[in-house]
Amino acid sequence: DAEITQSPRHKITETGRQVTLACHQTWNHNNMFWYRQDLGHGLRLIHYSYGVQDTNKGEVSDGYSVSRSNTEDLPLTLESAASSQTSVYFCASSESLPPREAFFGQGTRLTVV
Amino acid sequence: GESVGLHLPTLSVQEGDNSIINCAYSNSASDYFIWYKQESGKGPQFIIDIRSNMDKRQGQRVTVLLNKTVKHLSLQIAATQPGDSAVYFCAENMWGSQGNLIFGKGTKLSVKP
Repeated sequence: DAEITQSPRHKITETGRQVTLACHQTWNHNNMFWYRQDLGHGLRLIHYSYGVQDTNKGEVSDGYSVSRSNTEDLPLTLESAASSQTSVYFCASSESLPPREAFFGQGTRLTVV
Repeated sequence: GESVGLHLPTLSVQEGDNSIINCAYSNSASDYFIWYKQESGKGPQFIIDIRSNMDKRQGQRVTVLLNKTVKHLSLQIAATQPGDSAVYFCAENMWGSQGNLIFGKGTKLSVKP
């Protein structure tokens, strides 16, 4: 069965370190998204991609970057981790735009100490 | 797993009763709305969607109502079951913004057996 997987599920890192969160989908979807989820804010869009070599900034993109070298993967990089980036991160993919029936990964809980 | 249920509005219903979850959206230019369900430790899961040219849409045991006059969206769940216990999010998409969904803060539904 097709799926979307995130790794790691949990990560603790130190302030200032570079961190990369992986997202891999086997749906063959062109559209992929990264969100962060914080108490009191719901999900907020960080970056998104409509296809290979395409990346776009979302609502809260500062301090984050993504790259799309193939259809299956959209890794999210925190250039220099900050405590404000402690959050739960979700990756999603969808066939259509708007992202109707987007499929979400299980999430990565990142703690920056 | 990842949890986001703290400090959220909570709706508690008896098993078998109908549930109504409400959402106020922010932008009158939004033309597409989605309801997601998020169970503890999992990513959001698509439930139902509705376009702004409709005021009601029905799915299996769920109905979404859209009132554009007051920018209000509701999700009705018939014969609520224990498996419906989760956090429910509404999301809006502004016309032309493609993948940029704006999520509400969520409502926690607890079903009492």
